[in-house]
Amino acid sequence: IAGITQAPTSQILAAGRRMTLRCTQDMRHNAMYWYRQDLGLGLRLIHYSNTAGTTGKGEVPDGYSVSRANTDDFPLTLASAVPSQTSVYFCASSGGENTEAFFGQGTRLTVV
Amino acid sequence: AQKITQTQPGMFVQEKEAVTLDCTYDTSDQSYGLFWYKQPSSGEMIFLIYQGSYDEQNATEGRYSLNFQKARKSANLVISASQLGDSAMYFCAPNDYKLSFGAGTTVTVRA
Repeated sequence: IAGITQAPTSQILAAGRRMTLRCTQDMRHNAMYWYRQDLGLGLRLIHYSNTAGTTGKGEVPDGYSVSRANTDDFPLTLASAVPSQTSVYFCASSGGENTEAFFGQGTRLTVV
Repeated sequence: AQKITQTQPGMFVQEKEAVTLDCTYDTSDQSYGLFWYKQPSSGEMIFLIYQGSYDEQNATEGRYSLNFQKARKSANLVISASQLGDSAMYFCAPNDYKLSFGAGTTVTVRA
């Protein structure tokens, strides 16, 4: 089934540890995005990629890094997790500016 | 910087009535579009409707329609005949390369 998949679904992480959230899509979409959503609030853009090989910073990029080695994968890395990074993380992809984005199911991350 | 604004943090609506959610896009571009998404309490993001600035008609999808005012750069979402299942957060986003979302509006439908 075509779509976008995130892993893991949830994770409890000790502060200071490194963590990579995985995101894979099989729709051959050029654009991919990472957001964080804190409880009861909206989605804030962390990083984005408009095509394989390029990435850009969003609204809240500090403490996060991304890579886009190919079209399908867009991993998000927390180099040294801190409690303020506790959030739900959503990955999304889009086939173009006038087409809707498709979202993963989210990763619930708790940093303790 | 281009900015998307949703001014209503929360709204209550009676079942079977209509509700209008505001969204305004601060941009200098003449060509743009606005997406609306729904996020129920289960957390998934659901695409609802899209309006392009050059579309002649207001977009409509079932009970969802957009009140598009080009001069104001706003595309307000109208949900007609509200149902209990419409209780959710609603987000708008422009079709620019960053896909940044507005702060969202929480809609609660009362029986």
